[in-house]
Amino acid sequence: GAVVSQHPSWVICKSGTSVKIECRSLDFQATTMFWYRQFPKQSLMLMATSNEGSKATYEQGVEKDKFLINHASLTLSTLTVTSAHPEDSSFYICSARGRGANEQYFGPGTRLTVT
Amino acid sequence: QKEVEQNSGPLSVPEGAIASLNCTYSDRGSQSFFWYRQYSGKSPELIMSIYSNGDKEDGRFTAQLNKASQYVSLLIRDSQPSDSATYLCAVNRRGNNYQLIWGAGTKLIIKP
Repeated sequence: GAVVSQHPSWVICKSGTSVKIECRSLDFQATTMFWYRQFPKQSLMLMATSNEGSKATYEQGVEKDKFLINHASLTLSTLTVTSAHPEDSSFYICSARGRGANEQYFGPGTRLTVT
Repeated sequence: QKEVEQNSGPLSVPEGAIASLNCTYSDRGSQSFFWYRQYSGKSPELIMSIYSNGDKEDGRFTAQLNKASQYVSLLIRDSQPSDSATYLCAVNRRGNNYQLIWGAGTKLIIKP
């Protein structure tokens, strides 16, 4: 149980374009989803927290107009990186928490390269 | 002082021995504690969660929590080369049971 998928697993895009990443909970309802970013050899950095049907809460320093998060259903959240630039190249990972649970289960991650 | 501290390692342990990973946290109000394993280039995988003082065992893994000392550890018995990974300690954020504060991780190397 507690399986989370992400799509795509990797993406290359040109500078200035937008990229959408999907995160799905496959066998449970995710009342809360989290989006993280991880640069090579660095720790996880929480970008935002989203509850189903609510606006996402962004961490300090994360531009909400650049990283658009939508959590429209209990099984799907999306992260859109708008007007991507090379410095946005990173490993983006989502996690999900089920109702009443404390544990977070992670998707496999999406490796974004902006050229 | 970091909110969640871990020795970055690498911690080198011979195959078959016990690996001991340690984590300290600064917020006495924390209630939930987690250990995740992350292989290079992969996302974190939940190994253990612990909420009360004492030991919690799951197979070869034992999590230990001491709230008075603000200390949580993970023991891996009969270490295998496949246990080589970075182990992340996470603690719930005060006032928000669902957000986690992450340690930087300890890199564990199991030598055959």
